[in-house]
Amino acid sequence: SQQGEEDPQALSIQEGENATMNCSYKTSINNLQWYRQNSGRGLVHLILIRSNEREKHSGRLRVTLDTSKKSSSLLITASRAADTASYFCATDANDYKLSFGAGTTVTVRA
Amino acid sequence: GAVVSQHPSWVICKSGTSVKIECRSLDFQATTMFWYRQFPKQSLMLMATSNEGSKATYEQGVEKDKFLINHASLTLSTLTVTSAHPEDSSFYICSVEGAVTSNYGYTFGSGTRLTVV
Repeated sequence: SQQGEEDPQALSIQEGENATMNCSYKTSINNLQWYRQNSGRGLVHLILIRSNEREKHSGRLRVTLDTSKKSSSLLITASRAADTASYFCATDANDYKLSFGAGTTVTVRA
Repeated sequence: GAVVSQHPSWVICKSGTSVKIECRSLDFQATTMFWYRQFPKQSLMLMATSNEGSKATYEQGVEKDKFLINHASLTLSTLTVTSAHPEDSSFYICSVEGAVTSNYGYTFGSGTRLTVV
């Protein structure tokens, strides 16, 4: 089942700018994961943050998690044209089944 | 993380025929695989959990007789869409659970675009 909601639905930015997207969920989680999907392709795992973690970095990616608000954010810094894709958050409630958010479509203009 | 191969990438079939999609874990023994469906511009919806050597577990609303899942080995799960209809046209993606303890997420296949005409 889909339990996450993401906003914005779509985001258009200039190359070099930062992109921020948010994810909210409804139930308790074990971890939250962010994925990227290029058009018509499979998903690529970006980063995983556990329920006892508040912030995590990986390269140009920064993820925060606020379990009290049941929300997470993904920040992509210094965006590039290659970052153009759809981004999904997915929650794992300790049953190994992922529930995906609706996704944010990011377009990076050169 | 695991490497997952999904085949075919795309398939067009006539209404009423059956289509088989394969999902292979190339370097990881996967006792559990997952099958998702994604409609255009929408999110992924979990269809079923494929368990090696036992019956698949289907999500609510997914017809198990229509979407047959076979997970006969630790490296292969198949999804067969039986008696396909145009409304079954979708993007089907499989995944393998990664080593979450090592901060690996799940590894996804490249997906199969099914078009039923």
